Parts: sequence; structure tokens; C-alpha cells
Amino acid sequence: SQKIEQNSEALNIQEGKTATLTCNYTNYSPAYLQWYRQDPGRGPVFLLLIRENEKEKRKERLKVTFDTTLKQSLFHITASQPADSATYLCAPHTGRRALTFGSGTRLQVQP
Amino acid sequence: ETGVTQSPTHLIKTRGQQVTLRCSSQSGHNTVSWYQQALGQGPQFIFQYYREEENGRGNFPPRFSGLQFPNYSSELNVNALELDDSALYLCASSSNPLGQGDEQFFGPGTRLTVL
Repeated sequence: SQKIEQNSEALNIQEGKTATLTCNYTNYSPAYLQWYRQDPGRGPVFLLLIRENEKEKRKERLKVTFDTTLKQSLFHITASQPADSATYLCAPHTGRRALTFGSGTRLQVQP
Repeated sequence: ETGVTQSPTHLIKTRGQQVTLRCSSQSGHNTVSWYQQALGQGPQFIFQYYREEENGRGNFPPRFSGLQFPNYSSELNVNALELDDSALYLCASSSNPLGQGDEQFFGPGTRLTVL
């Protein structure tokens, strides 16, 4: 069956460092993958989309990679700030009319 | 431009009851998707409505049903509530149906507690 894995343990890093979050998927080949940010008690907010024919996508301090051979996407936040603390969700496209989210990784950036 | 709104914010029901949750999509969006998010988990796709018709469904039983209106607002109905239905219910709107990669704009959610 299709499976999406994100590191369930919180990631704690120091302000100014680069945060790297991992999304692994098995048993299917998504045409694209989206990343969202979710703050406590709020709905997710879209950050980036990367398609299967793209290796890398950037937006300001954010960078996403997509390795279809490893079935993995990496999400990087450079020069991290305490305001980046949140849960980050990956959502690979799992079917023509569906989007499936991973369970998310909580990032905590210490000042 | 008005964002996605949901009502009510919180709701408490008892097992066996029925509930209706409401969502107003962002201006110009014709697609609404509903998700269930349990504590500590990612959102789970329930179904999607496109131009007033169900256009995709996740692994949820038929007691989860929905509607979309001509103004593209939507309702999620859950019958015969069970304790496990306690969750945050999220509505998201987009310019096109899922599958085309459009970003989804989420509302703040409705917190449903079933006792």
C-alpha cells in the first residue's frame, strides 16, 4: 500500500542553521509533491510544489529537492529563525483526485 | 480577497448524533476538499467537490457526505457519530481539482469532539 513517512521526532536546531526535513514515500510515483507549514490550531499553509521532472525548487530561504529514484523529498530552510518553528507537512500527489499528507515533522528553532 | 472560512469553530456532540460543518471557499475557487486531522497526524483526505459534484473520495465510510452549492461553498455531513470522529476538520479550496498541482488554501478548521 502507499506509504508516506516523515520523521515523527521533533527537529531542534539553533537559529541561523539550516533545517533539513525528510519525506519518504513508497509504492507509488507521484507526479508532484507539495510542502505545507502548519502552526498549532491553524490550517496548513502552502509553501512549495515540485514536479517529478524537477530536481530542485527554491523560494527565498526555502529549498525543496525531489529524488524519484530514492522516492524522497528533502525540505531545507536556510538561516533558520525562531519564527520558522512549526510543523511541516509533505503531500505527494497520490492519485488523480486525491492528495495525501504525511504526519508532519515539528521544527523548533532555538534563539 | 476573502480567505477560506469555516463554521463553527468548535463543536461538541454525542455518539450517534449527526453534524454539519460549513465552509466558504476563497473567491474565484471552484473546488473544495475536506480533510480530517487527528491529533499528531497529518490531514486525511475525505473528499473533493468540483462544480457541485463529488470529484474524488478517500477511505471514509458513506456516513461522511457532502454538498457544494452554486457559490462553491460546501458542507460536510457526518451521520451516526463515533468517538473516533473527534478531530479537526479542515476545508481547503483551490482553483482547479486536485491532480493539477494547484495550491490549496485551508480554512482554520472546525474542532469536533464526540462524547
